[in-house]
Amino acid sequence: RKEVEQDPGPFNVPEGATVAFNCTYSNSASQSFFWYRQDCRKEPKLLMSVYSSGNEDGRFTAQLNRASQYISLLIRDSKLSDSATYLCVVNNYFSNDYKLSFGAGTTVTVRA
Amino acid sequence: EPEVTQTPSHQVTQMGQEVILRCVPISNHLYFYWYRQILGQKVEFLVSFYNNEISEKSEIFDDQFSVERPDGSNFTLKIRSTKLEDSAMYFCASSPGTGGVNTEAFFGQGTRLTVV
Repeated sequence: RKEVEQDPGPFNVPEGATVAFNCTYSNSASQSFFWYRQDCRKEPKLLMSVYSSGNEDGRFTAQLNRASQYISLLIRDSKLSDSATYLCVVNNYFSNDYKLSFGAGTTVTVRA
Repeated sequence: EPEVTQTPSHQVTQMGQEVILRCVPISNHLYFYWYRQILGQKVEFLVSFYNNEISEKSEIFDDQFSVERPDGSNFTLKIRSTKLEDSAMYFCASSPGTGGVNTEAFFGQGTRLTVV
């Protein structure tokens, strides 16, 4: 089983729509979780951290379910600029080390 | 805003040649990483570096790879004898090492390595 699995999409949505997708992780001891955004041929950039209680940042809502080992991201009122690949990232933090494991990414395309 | 910088942005090399990819992490960060991304594939962990030594490496990071922090600012990845399958985007990243497990990693813009 892969460490981090994501629905690859693509999700093709109209402007203003809501889109949501999940990610599952295999290591129950994983410590922390992030959503990164990656534009074509660019570096990953942090979108938001994901906390146990769930958290919101503007139009973006992230949730964590430790019992079922999944993370979700919801984008409300989609903008054209939200078109990107969204990377689910899990931090396996052991022995004072910090290793990020990446999912393969979920592609979102927002159309006018 | 502080950023991770990588040079060169694109490197073309012949199979069998040695390449060195360079990175300048954010100045007060303590953890440094190399990741790679083959075109169309996921970002893969190569190696992490802390306190002047490798703290973890993946199975990709074989004897052909090495990392070094030759001075207080640079962090390099050397590939001794490049293969065609080493062609990828290589990302350097750094993180502060403080602020707990939720601290993010900051990525450089990447070096696109093309082995011909």
